[in-house]
Formats: sequence, structure tokens, C-alpha cells
Amino acid sequence: DAGVIQSPRHEVTEMGQEVTLRCKPISGHDYLFWYRQTMMRGLELLIYFNNNVPIDDSGMPEDRFSAKMPNASFSTLKIQPSEPRDSAVYFCASSFLGEKLFFGSGTQLSVL
Amino acid sequence: QKEVEQNSGPLSVPEGAIASLNCTYSDRVSQSFFWYRQYSGKSPELIMSIYSNGDKEDGRFTAQLNKASQYVSLLIRDSQPSDSATYLCAVKNNQGGKLIFGQGTELSVKP
Repeated sequence: DAGVIQSPRHEVTEMGQEVTLRCKPISGHDYLFWYRQTMMRGLELLIYFNNNVPIDDSGMPEDRFSAKMPNASFSTLKIQPSEPRDSAVYFCASSFLGEKLFFGSGTQLSVL
Repeated sequence: QKEVEQNSGPLSVPEGAIASLNCTYSDRVSQSFFWYRQYSGKSPELIMSIYSNGDKEDGRFTAQLNKASQYVSLLIRDSQPSDSATYLCAVKNNQGGKLIFGQGTELSVKP
């Protein structure tokens, strides 16, 4: 298995633009997580899905953030409009039964 | 109080020494505990999991869990420079799959 695949690896955009991050989980995994990592706040859980259904989105900073999982092999995290404070590394991770997360390589987002 | 707290780093140990990393958690119903290692610029990777009180050993790594005191620790024996990384403690309760990470402890092993 190729592991969790995220795209793009790097994203540079201007404030106010829409940003879409993509994730393909490991086949057979039933949980998918979106995390954000910054030096100040560490690794924060934004939202997680179980069997494509959002379970807990309490970590989503505000209405500018949204996430979808239309099927078992694809998820998106969208920020609209983006702001400089959204600059961070965004990780997608998947697991089976919610145990032992496998992380993607992350998306380094810079909002200018 | 943060849900998962770790010793602030950086922690510096000489090569061959034992590195001790600690973590405390606030939710008493937590059931699963994990240690992840993250090299600079890379994604976290799982190195240990522990579910019951006591010690669990895997090679040079030993995880220790004390649910009564709500702490988890990771010991790395015979530390190597290649162990230099940030170690993240993660905790999951039995109510769904929510996994919460601590801030991480940066470990530096000096040759």
C-alpha cells in the first residue's frame, strides 16, 4: 500500500483565496483525521470521520474551514477565505478502528 | 489544563544514555496511549502503543503506563543520535476515535 497520500505538498496563496487540501487514506481504514501543526499550538485535531461520516468537528477553527469525505478513498479540507494565521502544516491520517494512526506527508500551507 | 501535557524540551542526553520522556493526561476514561516520533520536516510515525498498566518493551523502547496517576512515559535505552527527534504522546478515550496529542518533547542525543 502506498500509505496516506496528501496533495499538494506545498501551497502558497494570497489572503482571501480559497485553498483545498486533498487526502487519500489507506485502503480498508475506516477512520480519517485532519490535523494542523504549528510551533505554537502543536498538533491540533480539526475533524475526524468514521466510515465517511464526520464524527467530531469541534476542532475546526471557524466557519471558514470545511471538510468532506464523499467516499472511503477521498477527503478534502477547504479553507475559504484563507488568512495568514492559517499558515501551518496540515496532516491527514487514517486508521483502522481508530487505533494506530498512519500520517500522510502533510501539506505545508503558506498564506501571504 | 491541557488534555495531554508533556515535558517541555529540548531534552539532551549523551549517546548510550537512557532518555526518559513523560506525559500526563486529564481524561480519566482514556483507554489507549501512544508514542509517536517525528523527525524534523517529516510526519509523525507510531513507535509504541500501550493499553494496560505496567511496562511494555519493544527493543530499546519501553512504554510505561500508570492510569491511577494518569501518566505515560517512554524510556529509550542506549540512545543513539538517530533517536534525535520530537516525541509526541497521544491519548484516546473509549468514546469514539478522537486522538489527542501533546505538544511533544524534542530529544537531542549528542555523540
